[in-house]
Amino acid sequence: AQTVTQSQPEMSVQEAETVTLSCTYDTSESDYYLFWYKQPPSRQMILVIRQEAYKQQNATENRFSVNFQKAAKSFSLKISDSQLGDAAMYFCAYLRAGNNRKLIWGLGTSLAVNP
Amino acid sequence: DSGVTQTPKHLITATGQRVTLRCSPRSGDLSVYWYQQSLDQGLQFLIQYYNGEERAKGNILERFSAQQFPDLHSELNLSSLELGDSALYFCASSTTPTSGNTIYFGEGSWLTVV
Repeated sequence: AQTVTQSQPEMSVQEAETVTLSCTYDTSESDYYLFWYKQPPSRQMILVIRQEAYKQQNATENRFSVNFQKAAKSFSLKISDSQLGDAAMYFCAYLRAGNNRKLIWGLGTSLAVNP
Repeated sequence: DSGVTQTPKHLITATGQRVTLRCSPRSGDLSVYWYQQSLDQGLQFLIQYYNGEERAKGNILERFSAQQFPDLHSELNLSSLELGDSALYFCASSTTPTSGNTIYFGEGSWLTVV
């Protein structure tokens, strides 16, 4: 069975600095997708970035980028120029390709941004 | 705005009661998913529908049921409610397997059982 592990329950960063959130996963599949979702205090679940396993290039969305290491089964999220609005719970999620699309979630990392 | 609409946003009800949560997926999305997020258990996958048919089942209790209607909206029915059912219930939707596989979430329905 697939599992997702986020080893950092809490992290903090100074405004305008860079922070990296860690995520590792375990799977025997070769085709899958990885996501980072953000959940602010409003509890809405917001997609931050996604990565297709077959792509070697790391995904980037503005200040958010990932370091995808397929062999190591690692999928870290880098937030550059951190802003106060980035404070949230961040979840890493795995999705197997195909029709049975059950997201497998990590337990989340709570990110605080200090002014 | 993800395009996924959930109602109601908040609901308070008594133990033993039954409630229905409603979800309208993003325009064009055929798949609907239900997730439960409680304070102590994180996100739990409940069930998935694809174009009206149940496609995958997760940790859904027998007291809970769901369906997806021909217009693709979905309802999650929770019955014989217990205090432990208090949680945030998310609906999510996605397009077909050939186009993206990204799952978008609604804002959730807060259920409080008292």
